[in-house]
Amino acid sequence: SQTIHQWPATLVQPVGSPLSLECTVEGTSNPNLYWYRQAAGRGLQLLFYSVGIGQISSEVPQNLSASRPQDRQFILSSKKLLLSDSGFYLCAWSGLEKLFFGSGTQLSVL
Amino acid sequence: DQQVKQNSPSLSVQEGRISILNCDYTNSMFDYFLWYKKYPAEGPTFLISISSIKDKNEDGRFTVFLNKSAKHLSLHIVPSQPGDSAVYFCAASATGGGADGLTFGKGTHLIIQP
Repeated sequence: SQTIHQWPATLVQPVGSPLSLECTVEGTSNPNLYWYRQAAGRGLQLLFYSVGIGQISSEVPQNLSASRPQDRQFILSSKKLLLSDSGFYLCAWSGLEKLFFGSGTQLSVL
Repeated sequence: DQQVKQNSPSLSVQEGRISILNCDYTNSMFDYFLWYKKYPAEGPTFLISISSIKDKNEDGRFTVFLNKSAKHLSLHIVPSQPGDSAVYFCAASATGGGADGLTFGKGTHLIIQP
């Protein structure tokens, strides 16, 4: 069966520090992968999606970037975090017309 | 432009009664609709879905109704239980619309009171 792993679960970072969140999927090959963010009082906002290694599409201009170095690995990064980057970040993969989400990372930028 | 709208940020329902969560959409290309349930500090989990060729789909205590002419769908939970307290997200997609995932509403926080 397919599983999705996302870490860390929580992260507290100072403004201006770098960020790296990692997501891996098991049990499937060549999945479409996604990064979503849930900010306080807002819905689930699509940040990036990837249909294959090295292929990244950005949905909103922002301080973040994504990379897909391996088929089942998706990384969310920032060189310098802003206060507005705080939120709950979710990795997901798509299958059977659904999205399957990881457990999320609560990022607090202070 | 918000294509999927959940106009009620929160809803409080007594245990045992029916919970009705509403969702409206504007994009006429959407033809597949889903509801997700999310507990705090966890990822959303899929609950139930409906294709535009249907107007109702039922799974146990959960029923989703779709009114295509009104571009409206609703999730009914009956009877409501304490474990149903969570944030519910409505989501939509268009067949053949590409790999860019689902479009989500802002969510409705359902609170089941004992």
